[in-house]
Amino acid sequence: DSGVTQTPKHLITATGQRVTLRCSPRSGDLSVYWYQQSLDQGLQFLIQYYNGEERAKGNILERFSAQQFPDLHSELNLSSLELGDSALYFCASSVTIGNEQYFGPGTRLTVT
Amino acid sequence: EDQVTQSPEALRLQEGESSSLNCSYTVSGLRGLFWYRQDPGKGPEFLFTLYSAGEEKEKERLKATLTKKESFLHITAPKPEDSATYLCAVPEYNFNKFYFGSGTKLNVKP
Repeated sequence: DSGVTQTPKHLITATGQRVTLRCSPRSGDLSVYWYQQSLDQGLQFLIQYYNGEERAKGNILERFSAQQFPDLHSELNLSSLELGDSALYFCASSVTIGNEQYFGPGTRLTVT
Repeated sequence: EDQVTQSPEALRLQEGESSSLNCSYTVSGLRGLFWYRQDPGKGPEFLFTLYSAGEEKEKERLKATLTKKESFLHITAPKPEDSATYLCAVPEYNFNKFYFGSGTKLNVKP
C-alpha cells in the first residue's frame, strides 16, 4: 500500500458525460501528479500540482481539468467523454518536486 | 524533445536465468532516473532513484546502475514473482514533467 488513495476504483459511463476522479496523497506529500495509461499509449503525464498550485501541464486535453484543494487532495474532471478516454487514470504524490512518486491504485474508466 | 526508451519490450526468462533491462535517455542535465515496477491493473511501485553516473542501488534480486546515457536494471536469479512490467522515468530539467518509458514486460517461468 503506497498510502495514496483514489476513488472510485471503477467507473463506467456513456459518451458525452462528465466524471470526477478523486485522489488523496500520502500524508505530508505536497506534490500531486495525474497520469493516463491506455494499452497503446503507456503512462502519459497529464498535470502536476504543488501545494495547491498548478505547476505543469502535459498532454492534457482541454476537456479535462484538475485542481488541488487546501487539504491537498486533488480531483481530475473529465468532460464530454469519448470512447478514446477509456483508460486507467493514476494519481501519484511526492514529498516535494523531483522526488520519487508514489502511485495510487488507479481508477479504471470505461466509456461506452 | 526529451525521450526515454526501454528495451527489450518483452523478456521471457526461466527461473534463475539472470538478465538485464535497458533504459536510455536523452534529457538535458539528468536530475535523477527512477525505476518502477508495475503489476497488471495496479499502480507503479517505486524501486530506485539514481542520480549520478556510476551509482548503483540494490534491492533483493534487483540492481540498478546508471551511466551518462543509460541505466540498467539487472535481475539476478529471478523468480516467477518478479514477473511484472518495469518502467523507468526521468524528470524534465526543472522537474515540471516526468517522462516514462514504455516499459519492459518481464515474464519469469518456473
